[in-house]
Amino acid sequence: AQSVAQPEDQVNVAEGNPLTVKCTYSVSGNPYLFWYVQYPNRGLQFLLKYITGDNLVKGSYGFEAEFNKSQTSFHLKKPSALVSDSALYFCAVRALSGTYKYIFGTGTRLKVLA
Amino acid sequence: GAGVSQSPSNKVTEKGKDVELRCDPISGHTALYWYRQSLGQGLEFLIYFQGNSAPDKSGLPSDRFSAERTGGSVSTLTIQRTQQEDSAVYLCASSLAEARWETQYFGPGTRLLVL
Repeated sequence: AQSVAQPEDQVNVAEGNPLTVKCTYSVSGNPYLFWYVQYPNRGLQFLLKYITGDNLVKGSYGFEAEFNKSQTSFHLKKPSALVSDSALYFCAVRALSGTYKYIFGTGTRLKVLA
Repeated sequence: GAGVSQSPSNKVTEKGKDVELRCDPISGHTALYWYRQSLGQGLEFLIYFQGNSAPDKSGLPSDRFSAERTGGSVSTLTIQRTQQEDSAVYLCASSLAEARWETQYFGPGTRLLVL
């Protein structure tokens, strides 16, 4: 069965510091991996996705994520956090075959402190 | 262009009543998804529509939940005999095609409160 784990309910980081939001997954075969962000009182917005190729994926707002097949991880990173990055972040996985479901993690709340 | 829209934005109902939630996907998007977001539970897949194919209903939590998509566009999620545990934010998303790497575009959600 497919699953996604976001081990941290909340991550606090000081503005200007690098941030990492962790995600690990379990899926049969190779996955498609996604990160979405949910700002307060707004819908989920797409940040980035891994399809194939380069393991380092760059996305919106300066975010990037690294696909690590051996560790089955897809951690979200940003070199320098902004207060405006404070939001709820979701990792999602979709298998290359079989069900078309997206499986989402439980979300990680990022708080960037000024 | 217009994004995914959902109505109503908020719905308060009494236990035992039926509710209908509506989703208007982005024009031209053939795939449509419904999710439920409960506090601390992440996004729970409910149902998936793709074109004229039979929907994937495997995520519907009980037979009180049903959904339809008319004309390949607008979708309605119906919850019959609502229970307090149905209280959640119901999210709709659409994507351009059946390709597995397609990005989903989410609506703002309907916040349902069952008293």
